[in-house]
Amino acid sequence: DIQMTQSPSSLSASVGDRVTITCRASQSISSYLNWYQQKPGKAPKLLIYAASTLQSGVPSRFSGSGSETDYTLTISSLEPEDFATYYCQQSNSIPLTFGGGTKVEI
Amino acid sequence: EVQLVESGGGLVQPGGSLRLSCAASGFTFSIYDMHWVRQAPGKGLEWVSHISPSSSTRHYADSMKGRLTISRDDAKQSLYLQMNSLRDEDTAVYYCARGDGRGYLLDSWGQGTLVTVSS
Repeated sequence: DIQMTQSPSSLSASVGDRVTITCRASQSISSYLNWYQQKPGKAPKLLIYAASTLQSGVPSRFSGSGSETDYTLTISSLEPEDFATYYCQQSNSIPLTFGGGTKVEI
Repeated sequence: EVQLVESGGGLVQPGGSLRLSCAASGFTFSIYDMHWVRQAPGKGLEWVSHISPSSSTRHYADSMKGRLTISRDDAKQSLYLQMNSLRDEDTAVYYCARGDGRGYLLDSWGQGTLVTVSS
């Protein structure tokens, strides 16, 4: 199974801050890396797929990069609605696996 | 608009069984891979099961293998998860999700249904 290691597990930030979350796979996943946002009591929402492609309707302040085993989610300027938990997920192979999550707090 | 609506969750005793359902609308259900993903209270996301179009391929997480059966009814646009021999650690919100791309990109999710395993 491919292990996904996400860091940090939590961070404190302010509106307007630039935030970076990293995700490392235990083996190359060939950019089959996706990012999800989850707010309390809600289902996850797809933000970015294939490492760097923004899902339709997602604000351009979100961006993704990376290849092989190392990936990054960046929020260029944090908005109040961005306070949430973010998960990376590899879609290279079954079993699908997720990172442990990063909680972005005020 | 893509909609996925789960149902069937509830309180069940350890060793019991439950069948979850997911009603899909707003897209051609039959051509999509479908998945179940769960989230224990206060924990992260855990993939549970996958079924391909035409039910030709099914996969299960090792943590639940042998206790699960995933199925689909394309005529009813519905996905199912039969869970047997439930344990305390199976307590979670269970989400159904549509698989796009190669089938493993979870692009749409339901609101989830809570399964509580407790005596």
